[in-house]
Amino acid sequence: ELKVEQNPLFLSMQEGKNYTIYCNYSTTSDRLYWYRQDPGKSLESLFVLLSNGAVKQEGRLMASLDTKARLSTLHITAAVHDLSATYFCAVVPSSGSARQLTFGSGTQLTVLP
Amino acid sequence: GAGVSQSPRYKVAKRGQDVALRCDPISGHVSLFWYQQALGQGPEFLTYFQNEAQLDKSGLPSDRFFAERPEGSVSTLKIQRTQQEDSAVYLCASNTRRLRVATGELFFGEGSRLTVL
Repeated sequence: ELKVEQNPLFLSMQEGKNYTIYCNYSTTSDRLYWYRQDPGKSLESLFVLLSNGAVKQEGRLMASLDTKARLSTLHITAAVHDLSATYFCAVVPSSGSARQLTFGSGTQLTVLP
Repeated sequence: GAGVSQSPRYKVAKRGQDVALRCDPISGHVSLFWYQQALGQGPEFLTYFQNEAQLDKSGLPSDRFFAERPEGSVSTLKIQRTQQEDSAVYLCASNTRRLRVATGELFFGEGSRLTVL
């Protein structure tokens, strides 16, 4: 069974600081996604990472993928309040009967002034 | 509509009641998924449709859960004899492609929050 673990689960950081969220998964994967969710809102797709070494950046967020380590990171640079949300990574396993998108538990990010 | 629409947004049910949750996917989207998101957790896969065909229902937690998409557009998730552990947000997502698995960008609705008392 595929397990997707994120850490930290809760993160408070001050504006202007940098931090990294980690996503580990337990089996080989076709692709990895990062989503953002604001309270009471739908999930918004941020990044899709398709290959080892893939790096994608959008604004203050940068995501990377190491398929050998089964690890993805979401790096936040110079955080601003608007980035406060819950961030999920999600993985599709490469094989097996249950090849559906499997989410981590999420990282609840609060950016403090 | 412009996005995936779900109704009701909020539903309170007494234990033992039946509930029906509706999803209107983006027009023309072939693939439709249902997820269950418990408080403080990530979404968990329930079931998947390609047009009207239910191709994967491996995530449905019990036979009290039933989903249909009879005309390949609107879908309904029905939960019979609700239990407290059914309390969660039920998310619907769609995609324009014929997906065997949930790859590609999924467009999620805002969910239906079910509270079972």
